[in-house]
Amino acid sequence: KQEVTQIPAALSVPEGENLVLNCSFTDSAIYNLQWFRQDPGKGLTSLLLIQSSQREQTSGRLNASLDKSSGRSTLYIAASQPGDSATYLCAAGPYQAGTALIFGKGTTLSVSS
Amino acid sequence: GAVVSQHPSWVICKSGTSVKIECRSLDFQATTMFWYRQFPKQSLMLMATSNEGSKATYEQGVEKDKFLINHASLTLSTLTVTSAHPEDSSFYICSARTSGRLYNEQFFGPGTRLTVL
Repeated sequence: KQEVTQIPAALSVPEGENLVLNCSFTDSAIYNLQWFRQDPGKGLTSLLLIQSSQREQTSGRLNASLDKSSGRSTLYIAASQPGDSATYLCAAGPYQAGTALIFGKGTTLSVSS
Repeated sequence: GAVVSQHPSWVICKSGTSVKIECRSLDFQATTMFWYRQFPKQSLMLMATSNEGSKATYEQGVEKDKFLINHASLTLSTLTVTSAHPEDSSFYICSARTSGRLYNEQFFGPGTRLTVL
């Protein structure tokens, strides 16, 4: 059964720092891997989707990488801003068609000004 | 494109009552819909998977008689929490998959916060 782990659980940084969030998954047979952002009391905002055949995806200050063989993904945030404060969730898409994303517990990021 | 809505966005009910939550795919046909539950400071836990026109598949530990799921059309799935109790208070999020070009991506609704008094 797929398990997704995110480290660290919480992270506090000053504004302007570059930071890396880590995600690991136990079953490398994934279809894709997705990173989401969740603000307190809100739903999910999709940030980046990496297909299993891809190594990385970029959107603005965000860059996500995927290493299937080692079961790891990282989300890199450049020049962090207070508005980046949120919980970041990693989710693995199983290879079986029609099955659901499996989520990690998230990393709660706080960026201070 | 690929927008999923949920209604209501929040609901407060008394213990013992039933609550229905709707999940709609607004601009695509959802061949599969998923229901997740999220307790405070926890991650999303999959409750069930439903395919249009067939019975839902529930995850281990989720009571199918308590959480009734109906996926009667390709754009609508409903989750009914029957005889709700305070421990059912949670954030319920649905998501939908489609076929075609975007078939391997899930699109999420904004969630419904249920509070049972």
